Amino acid sequence: EPEVTQTPSHQVTQMGQEVILRCVPISNHLYFYWYRQILGQKVEFLVSFYNNEISEKSEIFDDQFSVERPDGSNFTLKIRSTKLEDSAMYFCASSRRGDEQFFGPGTRLTVL
Amino acid sequence: AQSVTQLDSQVPVFEEAPVELRCNYSSSVSVYLFWYVQYPNQGLQLLLKYLSGSTLVKGINGFEAEFNKSQTSFHLRKPSVHISDTAEYFCAVSVGRGADGLTFGKGTHLIIQP
Repeated sequence: EPEVTQTPSHQVTQMGQEVILRCVPISNHLYFYWYRQILGQKVEFLVSFYNNEISEKSEIFDDQFSVERPDGSNFTLKIRSTKLEDSAMYFCASSRRGDEQFFGPGTRLTVL
Repeated sequence: AQSVTQLDSQVPVFEEAPVELRCNYSSSVSVYLFWYVQYPNQGLQLLLKYLSGSTLVKGINGFEAEFNKSQTSFHLRKPSVHISDTAEYFCAVSVGRGADGLTFGKGTHLIIQP
């Protein structure tokens, strides 16, 4: 069964460094999303992407964040200058029709 | 904006007993409703969804949920739980299809006791 994959599973970085989190959505899906879950808190929507552009973004998704679909398979989330409070689990999701979203296993980002 | 409330942060249940996990939502427009399960150190897996039609929705692993518009609720039920059901359960809403992000509740940790 096709699934969403994410790399790396765990990323450790220094404050102020740039990180890129990678996702490979399910191949025939058209909608792509990023969410984050700070430890002990609920899952929060960051951004959605459709037709090669951002469709929606939350107030969390400020100028330090960007997303890209550099080729036909990858979907990336870049954090330009990481802060301690960016430490969280980041989930990628994809959807074929925009109703049911399939989630990846997540990348745990630790900012020191 | 919509919101989701899961009042119970933890629900302990004995194995083979029934369970109900509560979810209430708030929205000024029609919503689509979802339950996701997160097993330890894993991603989110969709249990079931309500988009339209019958208000009683059946999902995987023997779970079902009922959409109640007047009470703005979408409670999750299982008639007989198993040790393997131990996990975090998240209720989520969306106000439409397409690129809308999901709004999640804080989650309920289901603890199955032998």
